[in-house]
Amino acid sequence: QVQLQQWGAGLLKPSETLSLICGVYGGSFSEYYWSWIRQPPGKGLEWIGEINHRGNINYSPSLKSRVTMSVDTSENQFSLRLRSMTAADTAVYYCARVTSSSWSSESFYYMDVWGKGTTVTVSS
Amino acid sequence: DIQMTQSPSSLSAFVGDRVTITCRASQNIYNFLNWYQQEPGKAPKLLIYAASTLQSGLPSGFSGSGSGTNFTLTISRLRPEDFATYYCQQSYGTPYTFGQGTKLDIK
Repeated sequence: QVQLQQWGAGLLKPSETLSLICGVYGGSFSEYYWSWIRQPPGKGLEWIGEINHRGNINYSPSLKSRVTMSVDTSENQFSLRLRSMTAADTAVYYCARVTSSSWSSESFYYMDVWGKGTTVTVSS
Repeated sequence: DIQMTQSPSSLSAFVGDRVTITCRASQNIYNFLNWYQQEPGKAPKLLIYAASTLQSGLPSGFSGSGSGTNFTLTISRLRPEDFATYYCQQSYGTPYTFGQGTKLDIK
């Protein structure tokens, strides 16, 4: 049973850089895309971006200028860096596996395994 | 970006009730639509993908339907553990976007 374990600093000052890592345990790393999603306190879910084992990346346009994602295939890990953090970036950050199922010549993508989340607070 | 709008934003119901949550996309997304359940303090959990396919291992009381721009999630008979927040999400194209959520609580 695949599990995602995520870690990183939870308290940052404005202008600092968020750095989170998500480790993939008990399953394939190369067959999937891997996503980051965040959720501000009391609010909904926001997709940040995704990456696969080859380093193919899709970022949300709203965060693209500040985000970097990378993979370490030797460790089955992927990471998120978000620069120039402000209070508006305070959120729970989740990593997730993006699975695809194909039929009728279409591929359907969905996030079926999630990490437990990391609470990130930006405060001076 | 594709905008996803859910209704209602909140809903109160009794255990045993049948409830329906609606999700509308700002453009045609065919059946590239997923549903998630989130309990307080926990990560979201996939319920339905491709608009109507129930995720493996989940009870059959959850069902999804729709295509194009209008979708529904139906819970046929509410159990105590179903009281949570539900999100739709389009996977037609990146950036993937979510609805604002529907909070379902016990009446």
